[in-house]
Amino acid sequence: QVQLQESGPGLVKPSQTLSLTCTVSGASITTSSNYWSWIRQPAGRGLEWIGHIYISGSTNYNPSLKSRVTISVDTSKNQFSLNLNSVTAADTAVYYCVRAPLLWFGSGYYYYIDVWGKGTTVTVSS
Amino acid sequence: EIVLTQSPGTLSLSPGEGATLSCRASQSVRSNYLAWYQQKPGQAPRLLIYGASTRATGIPDRFSGSGSGTDFTLTISRLEPEDFALYYCQQYGISPPMYTFGQGTKLEIK
Repeated sequence: QVQLQESGPGLVKPSQTLSLTCTVSGASITTSSNYWSWIRQPAGRGLEWIGHIYISGSTNYNPSLKSRVTISVDTSKNQFSLNLNSVTAADTAVYYCVRAPLLWFGSGYYYYIDVWGKGTTVTVSS
Repeated sequence: EIVLTQSPGTLSLSPGEGATLSCRASQSVRSNYLAWYQQKPGQAPRLLIYGASTRATGIPDRFSGSGSGTDFTLTISRLEPEDFALYYCQQYGISPPMYTFGQGTKLEIK
């Protein structure tokens, strides 16, 4: 089955760039009809969608983070990545990479998230 | 941007009882854009329901979703010990295109 695994530094200094990679196994990232996305969750709090990328390279970002976020894909490695710049302590969270399929049901698409990575904790601190 | 408000914040029930969790949207949401997730401590969320009422693969039939417009409900009949967890609703917005989540309902053992 499809599995996602996040990787990257667990500690980032304030004002620097948070960089994470998600490795996809069990499926090709080039398969159409999937958004590859990042979601974060500060400790003890709710879920915040960061953004997603489609295999065409098209991206959408959360407006609250848009000025600092870039999501990219590396099809040769079956990976997609997150860069979040100018981080502060408020960016400390568990970061999940996820798959959001686009499932056509005849008169539209379903939008939901069906596969989640285990999550990786990123702390912003000097 | 559509805001989802879940209620109650915490629900205390006993195994065997039924649970009703509410998700209210600040604007009308298309049913095919509404999903529910379960999250246990230290774990990633798990998809329960999509399209407001379709159970995901492997989800027991004691979980059911309903609703339309601005009011959606997740119902769990006959609570099992493993059902006590956090539950989130999620919607997809077109303008701007983004996923948003409710703040969650904690289902705890009474």
